[in-house]
Amino acid sequence: GAVVSQHPSRVICKSGTSVKIECRSLDFQATTMFWYRQFPKKSLMLMATSNEGSKATYEQGVEKDKFLINHASLTLSTLTVTSAHPEDSSFYICSARANLGTGGGAFFGQGTRLTVV
Amino acid sequence: QKEVEQNSGPLSVPEGAIASLNCTYSDRGSQSFFWYRQYSGKSPELIMFIYSNGDKEDGRFTAQLNKASQYVSLLIRDSQPSDSATYLCAVNNTGTYKYIFGTGTRLKVLA
Repeated sequence: GAVVSQHPSRVICKSGTSVKIECRSLDFQATTMFWYRQFPKKSLMLMATSNEGSKATYEQGVEKDKFLINHASLTLSTLTVTSAHPEDSSFYICSARANLGTGGGAFFGQGTRLTVV
Repeated sequence: QKEVEQNSGPLSVPEGAIASLNCTYSDRGSQSFFWYRQYSGKSPELIMFIYSNGDKEDGRFTAQLNKASQYVSLLIRDSQPSDSATYLCAVNNTGTYKYIFGTGTRLKVLA
């Protein structure tokens, strides 16, 4: 149990375009999902907390108009990187909290490696 | 700022030895503690959780928690080269549901 699926796993896009990343909880319902960004050999940086049916809560310094988050159902959250630029190139990872005998641990999607050219 | 601190390493241990990974946290409101393993280029994988003081064992892994000292550790017995990865410590305050991650400790198990 506690499978989180993230797509796409890898995307290359042109500067100025938008990219949508999907995060699905496959075998449980997730009222809360989290979006992280990770640079090479660095730790996870929490970008925002996605709440089903309400607005996402963004961390300080994260532009909410650039990183649009939608959590329309209990199993799906999306992150859209709008007007992407090369500095947005990174590894984006979603996670969802699951109460499945795992102490409330969060489970991660496979991650999306975004390259903006 | 709530913090979780780990030594970045690398921590090198010979195959078959015990690897000891440590983590300290600053928020006394933290109630749940997790260890994740992350292989290079992959996303983190949950390997252990603990929320009561003391030890918790699962196979070759033992998590240890001392809330008074705000300290949590992970022991890996009989270390294998396949254990070579970055180990992330995370704490969770139930009130916020937010997970705070440490920067991770890179473990190298030498064959």
